[in-house]
Amino acid sequence: EAGVAQSPRYKIIEKRQSVAFWCNPISGHATLYWYQQILGQGPKLLIQFQNNGVVDDSQLPKDRFSAERLKGVDSTLKIQPAKLEDSAVYLCASRLGLAGVRGTDTQYFGPGTRLTVL
Amino acid sequence: GESVGLHLPTLSVQEGDNSIINCAYSNSASDYFIWYKQESGKGPQFIIDIRSNMDKRQGQRVTVLLNKTVKHLSLQIAATQPGDSAVYFCAERTGRRALTFGSGTRLQVQP
Repeated sequence: EAGVAQSPRYKIIEKRQSVAFWCNPISGHATLYWYQQILGQGPKLLIQFQNNGVVDDSQLPKDRFSAERLKGVDSTLKIQPAKLEDSAVYLCASRLGLAGVRGTDTQYFGPGTRLTVL
Repeated sequence: GESVGLHLPTLSVQEGDNSIINCAYSNSASDYFIWYKQESGKGPQFIIDIRSNMDKRQGQRVTVLLNKTVKHLSLQIAATQPGDSAVYFCAERTGRRALTFGSGTRLQVQP
């Protein structure tokens, strides 16, 4: 079974520029997450989708960050304009999450996109 | 989870010894817990999970223990190998919410 795919793997931009990240979750996984991981810290949730609907975006800096999952499969995360403090690894994860079905709760992560803002 | 900046707690063990990594969680309503291993430049990799109605679960060379009374989770790795060297994160979840990650622990295995 293919894992969570992300691209690009690395991105270097200057502050105030815009950037977009792409995620393709594991086939059939209804729940998709974007996390931000700053060096030396655990991942922090940015946004959670259930199919194409937003479940939780309370920690998404909406003045500069946006995300969409229009067809309930792939997702894109955009930052516009970027700030120096946005330098981090952006992780996408997905979960099958069938109610009452054991083994479907596990959240699988992609390799991440390392963003450097200069 | 709390931030520990660049200075992660580090556990150093000899190859072949058993490792125990500890984690304190904050939300008494959490009903699902999970351990991830993260190697440099990679995304977190699932190791083992446990629901709140259990206090122990075993996998291949790994065991997770859950003590809900003191809100403590531990990961035991038997016969630690150099390939186990990584940063380990625990995470908790309540219902269908997203995972909340704790601060990581760096495991260094000395050959």
